[in-house]
Amino acid sequence: KQEVTQIPAALSVPEGENLVLNCSFTDSAIYNLQWFRQDPGKGLTSLLLIQSSQREQTSGRLNASLDKSSGRSTLYIAASQPGDSATYLCAVSSGNQFYFGTGTSLTVIP
Amino acid sequence: GAVVSQHPSRVICKSGTSVKIECRSLDFQATTMFWYRQFPKQSLMLMATSNEGSKATYEQGVEKDKFLINHASLTLSTLTVTSAHPEDSSFYICSATLAGGPVGELFFGEGSRLTVL
Repeated sequence: KQEVTQIPAALSVPEGENLVLNCSFTDSAIYNLQWFRQDPGKGLTSLLLIQSSQREQTSGRLNASLDKSSGRSTLYIAASQPGDSATYLCAVSSGNQFYFGTGTSLTVIP
Repeated sequence: GAVVSQHPSRVICKSGTSVKIECRSLDFQATTMFWYRQFPKQSLMLMATSNEGSKATYEQGVEKDKFLINHASLTLSTLTVTSAHPEDSSFYICSATLAGGPVGELFFGEGSRLTVL
């Protein structure tokens, strides 16, 4: 069964810093990997989707990479802002399901 | 991106009553929708996969008679919590994919906070 892990569980950085969130998965047979953002008491907002054949995707200050063979993905956030504070989850689609990581709680300090 | 709408966003009910939560895909047809439950500071727990026109597939440990799922149309799935009890209080979220399966991008509703008194 696919297992998805996110490290660190929590991260606090000063505004303006670049940061990296990590996601690892145990089974490399995936269709895609998706990064989400969740604000307290809200649903999940899709940030980036990387298909299994792709290496990375970019959207604004966000860049996500995928190394399927090693079972890893990173989400790079450039020039962090207080508005980036949220929980970030990664999810992989594998078999007939989506598997979610436990999330990284990010706090950007003004 | 595609929009998934969930309603109500918050509901408070008395113990023993039933509560229905709706999940709608507003601008696409969703042959498959997913229902999750999320406890505070935890990740999502898949409850069931809702298939249009057929019975939902429940995850192990999820009571089918407790959590009734209906997917009567390509744009609507409902979750009914029957005879709700305080331990059913939680955040429930639905999602859907454009492609109808695991290969597509996943979009989420806004979530529904259920509080059972």
